[in-house]
Amino acid sequence: AQTVTQSQPEMSVQEAETVTLSCTYDTSENNYYLFWYKQPPSRQMILVIRQEAYKQQNATENRFSVNFQKAAKSFSLKISDSQLGDTAMYFCAPGLGVQGAQKLVFGQGTRLTINP
Amino acid sequence: EAQVTQNPRYLITVTGKKLTVTCSQNMNHEYMSWYRQDPGLGLRQIYYSMNVEVTDKGDVPEGYKVSRKEKRNFPLILESPSPNQTSLYFCASSLWGGRPQHFGDGTRLSIL
Repeated sequence: AQTVTQSQPEMSVQEAETVTLSCTYDTSENNYYLFWYKQPPSRQMILVIRQEAYKQQNATENRFSVNFQKAAKSFSLKISDSQLGDTAMYFCAPGLGVQGAQKLVFGQGTRLTINP
Repeated sequence: EAQVTQNPRYLITVTGKKLTVTCSQNMNHEYMSWYRQDPGLGLRQIYYSMNVEVTDKGDVPEGYKVSRKEKRNFPLILESPSPNQTSLYFCASSLWGGRPQHFGDGTRLSIL
């Protein structure tokens, strides 16, 4: 079975701090996409950031950045200057499977709380 | 506005009473998918469709049916719901399976 592991079920930090959420996965493919989704209490699934595996440069979206280690199959999310609105469930979702038949596989999620 | 619309948002029903959750997308996406979300398990794929009339099982298909007669619609059918199907359900669409998925707002389903 394709597996994605988020080893931190819950995390809590103070506002303005930096926090890193970890994710590891398993694949034998070379080209694929990876995503982090945010699910606030409203339960909407919101795309936070994406990374293409063939790109060496780590993706950045404002305060959100990733540390993508392809050989280690690791895809962590760093949130800088955290804000109260960042409180949410975060899901790592790499596109796994053979080319032409890939699908997103979601980790178990990390519940992140930003404290004032 | 690009969106995935699923209905109903909430449903409480009883064991064995057939129900359908509708899903529609307006982005002309080829790929559509249904997920269920349970605490501690993340999102698990129920069924997916790569194109009209092409559907296939995901990781947890037991007790569910789908159809894809039109590109924009992908309903989820529970013919004889049971309490273990109580969950939060999401419909999603994308250009293809490995690309970012656009999600509906979710359907909270309770089977008594």
